[in-house]
Amino acid sequence: EIVMTQSPVTLSVSPGERATLSCRASQSVSSNLAWYQQKPGQAPRLLISGASTRATGIPARFSGSGSGTEFTLTISSLQSEDFAVYYCQHYNNWPLTFGPGTKVDIK
Amino acid sequence: EVQLVESGGGLVQPGGSLRLSCAASGFSFGNYEMNWVRQAPGKGLEWVSYISTTSGTIYYADSVKGRFTISRDNAKNSLYLQMDSLRAEDTAVYYCARDLWVANIHEGAFDIWGQGTMVTVSS
Repeated sequence: EIVMTQSPVTLSVSPGERATLSCRASQSVSSNLAWYQQKPGQAPRLLISGASTRATGIPARFSGSGSGTEFTLTISSLQSEDFAVYYCQHYNNWPLTFGPGTKVDIK
Repeated sequence: EVQLVESGGGLVQPGGSLRLSCAASGFSFGNYEMNWVRQAPGKGLEWVSYISTTSGTIYYADSVKGRFTISRDNAKNSLYLQMDSLRAEDTAVYYCARDLWVANIHEGAFDIWGQGTMVTVSS
């Protein structure tokens, strides 16, 4: 089983600032990596697939990069609606696994 | 509108059974692979099970293998999860989620999620 880790656990950012979230896989997942956003009481929402492809309707301030074992989600200028928990997930093989999440909160 | 709606959650005693349903609408359900993902209270996301379009390929997380059974009825646009021998650690919100297709390429990310149904296993 591929273990996904995320850092930091919590990221405190001021609106308008840049946020950089990291995700690491215990072995290579190629570019088979997705990012999701989840707000309290809501289902997760797909942001990025293929490590760097924005999902339909996702604003350009969200960008993903990386391949292999190291991945990054960048939010270029945080808006109020971006404060949430972010999860990475690999889909390179079975079982699919998620990272533990990074909470982005208001500084 | 593309939509997934789960139902069937509730309170069940340890060792009991429950059947979850997920009703799909707004897209050709039979053309998409489907999954169940769960989230324990205050915890992260855990993939539970996958089923291919024809039900010919099925996978389970080790934590539920032998106890849970995924199935689908394409004629009814519905996905199911039969949960037997339930344990306290199965307590979670259960989401159904659709596999992503991008430019005719199947990706294992989940692009459509239901709102979830809560399962509580407690005596």
